[in-house]
Amino acid sequence: DAKTTQPPSMDCAEGRAANLPCNHSTISGNEYVYWYRQIHSQGPQYIIHGLKNNETNEMASLIITEDRKSSTLILPHATLRDTAVYYCIVKGLYGGSNYKLTFGKGTLLTVNP
Amino acid sequence: EPEVTQTPSHQVTQMGQEVILRCVPISNHLYFYWYRQILGQKVEFLVSFYNNEISEKSEIFDDQFSVERPDGSNFTLKIRSTKLEDSAMYFCASSLVAGETQYFGPGTRLLVL
Repeated sequence: DAKTTQPPSMDCAEGRAANLPCNHSTISGNEYVYWYRQIHSQGPQYIIHGLKNNETNEMASLIITEDRKSSTLILPHATLRDTAVYYCIVKGLYGGSNYKLTFGKGTLLTVNP
Repeated sequence: EPEVTQTPSHQVTQMGQEVILRCVPISNHLYFYWYRQILGQKVEFLVSFYNNEISEKSEIFDDQFSVERPDGSNFTLKIRSTKLEDSAMYFCASSLVAGETQYFGPGTRLLVL
């Protein structure tokens, strides 16, 4: 799996949009970008994933650059409950080690009142 | 909304004892996984399981570990002779098919004394 690079920490004001960047410059054509988050020591929570088009669901939006070398997770109106470690993970669907998720250190997002 | 459940939430055991951690995956999912997270460290993949066989395992998953699907709903992780360094959060996950989105349970906190 391709490696990802994320800032170790970010702050965001409550009610504002949180934009979390991720670099994945070695991503290959059949690899998806997944985002999970982990609140304190709870189980990782799936947020969103995408291949090359921008994606939106009830939790967040995912913007993937045209060259697919980076992406941004957007939480449109961050709340205190969004304080968590956010993981950007690149993973293929077919072949190779596609069963596992490889977690990095992620970005600790702190939402401030 | 369907979710992965895990029992117990906490387990304290003596070094050398056997422990069994239990998981109930999402009911129509076919692939099952175990991950662990030592305090302050990354989430690490242990093993994936499909059709009553291990699909992939990491170097961590040595002979002390085993997995089983004893019935149609449970998925278990057994550690035969626990060591101090097995103290960690253990997360179960499931996905509908290989490569698809994995959904995690809340975890079992294992403390080996």
